[in-house]
Amino acid sequence: DAGVTQSPTHLIKTRGQQVTLRCSPKSGHDTVSWYQQALGQGPQFIFQYYEEEERQRGNFPDRFSGHQFPNYSSELNVNALLLGDSALYLCASSLRVWGSYNSPLHFGNGTRLTVT
Amino acid sequence: KNQVEQSPQSLIILEGKNCTLQCNYTVSPFSNLRWYKQDTGRGPVSLTIMTFSENTKSNGRYTATLDADTKQSSLHITASQLSDSASYICVVSVTYNTDKLIFGTGTRLQVFP
Repeated sequence: DAGVTQSPTHLIKTRGQQVTLRCSPKSGHDTVSWYQQALGQGPQFIFQYYEEEERQRGNFPDRFSGHQFPNYSSELNVNALLLGDSALYLCASSLRVWGSYNSPLHFGNGTRLTVT
Repeated sequence: KNQVEQSPQSLIILEGKNCTLQCNYTVSPFSNLRWYKQDTGRGPVSLTIMTFSENTKSNGRYTATLDADTKQSSLHITASQLSDSASYICVVSVTYNTDKLIFGTGTRLQVFP
């Protein structure tokens, strides 16, 4: 049973460019969340997708956008890259079970983005 | 402001010793508290999840405690192993949304032989 998979594992981009990161959730999961983790910091919530719609959003600018496909996989897009966007981008999946608030998140191993 | 603070920032112990990591939070309303282990360059892996009604939960050599009154949690690691070297992140869930989480910055644990 595959866990959460992310691609690519590493990426180097130049300031001003655009990047797309991909995530396949754990089998059976329907909700995908994206996080940005700067070096030495805890993950920061970017947004969450469920039923192909953005359901929640953290404090990130509109340069960060996403998409969820019918097979529950997801993409994170970042436009006009800044040096400060360099970070580990984590995807986490879960199963949305109404009435239960304790479903665990399963994380992928992330995409390391370096902006030069 | 919702915040999660962890201490110490880093910790070095010898293999076989026990240690305790601390987490204080100001998140409200509180739903649940989670401890994750994150190896370098990897994604976090869940260790425990506790609701406000749970005082303690164990996962092998890891035991988490929660005091919802004082808004404090601890993670105790028994008989540490070299593979315990990692960052340990305390995460608190806001309101009743399971996936909108407030992350601490973690405690970096190094276990030496």
